[in-house]
Amino acid sequence: NAGVMQNPRHLVRRRGQEARLRCSPMKGHSHVYWYRQLPEEGLKFMVYLQKENIIDESGMPKERFSAEFPKEGPSILRIQQVVRGDSAAYFCASSPPVRGGEQYFGPGTRLTVT
Amino acid sequence: QKEVEQNSGPLSVPEGAIASLNCTYSDRGSQSFFWYRQYSGKSPELIMSIYSNGDKEDGRFTAQLNKASQYVSLLIRDSQPSDSATYLCAVFHGSSNTGKLIFGQGTTLQVKP
Repeated sequence: NAGVMQNPRHLVRRRGQEARLRCSPMKGHSHVYWYRQLPEEGLKFMVYLQKENIIDESGMPKERFSAEFPKEGPSILRIQQVVRGDSAAYFCASSPPVRGGEQYFGPGTRLTVT
Repeated sequence: QKEVEQNSGPLSVPEGAIASLNCTYSDRGSQSFFWYRQYSGKSPELIMSIYSNGDKEDGRFTAQLNKASQYVSLLIRDSQPSDSATYLCAVFHGSSNTGKLIFGQGTTLQVKP
């Protein structure tokens, strides 16, 4: 049973470019969460999605960041016009459709903005 | 006041000892509590979940929850050098329409051979 899959594992972008991070949840999981971990900081919630719906985006920066989880295909976190401060590890987690249930994390995408 | 607080450590214990990791949270409405282990450069790995007051044991790990004191702990018995990692306490907020976990800053555990 494959776990949460994320790609790419490492992504280097120049300032002003776009970054697209992909996440496929575990089999049987319909809830996807994105978290960001900045260097020397804790893990911070960004957005919670179900298929074709954004449920909670209270942790998303107001500008340049967007997320989607289409009916078919992986969830995508998109960062437009990246800046150096966006350099971080971005983790996706998934859970079965139970509120407050266990969330399982993918390996993460390490974004470096040069 | 941070929503979820942990001592950053490092907590250093000798091999074979019991490691005790503590976490407090501020929201009395919190419903679910989790401990994750994160090795340097890796992703968080779920090791324990606890939902009701009391103790929950799984192998060498015991999670303890006291909702009245808003306190969660993790005990690791017979600590091994491979347990050296950062341990993250996470709390599910409980309000409607959110599934977010609030994480503490993590406690770094060092198990010395």
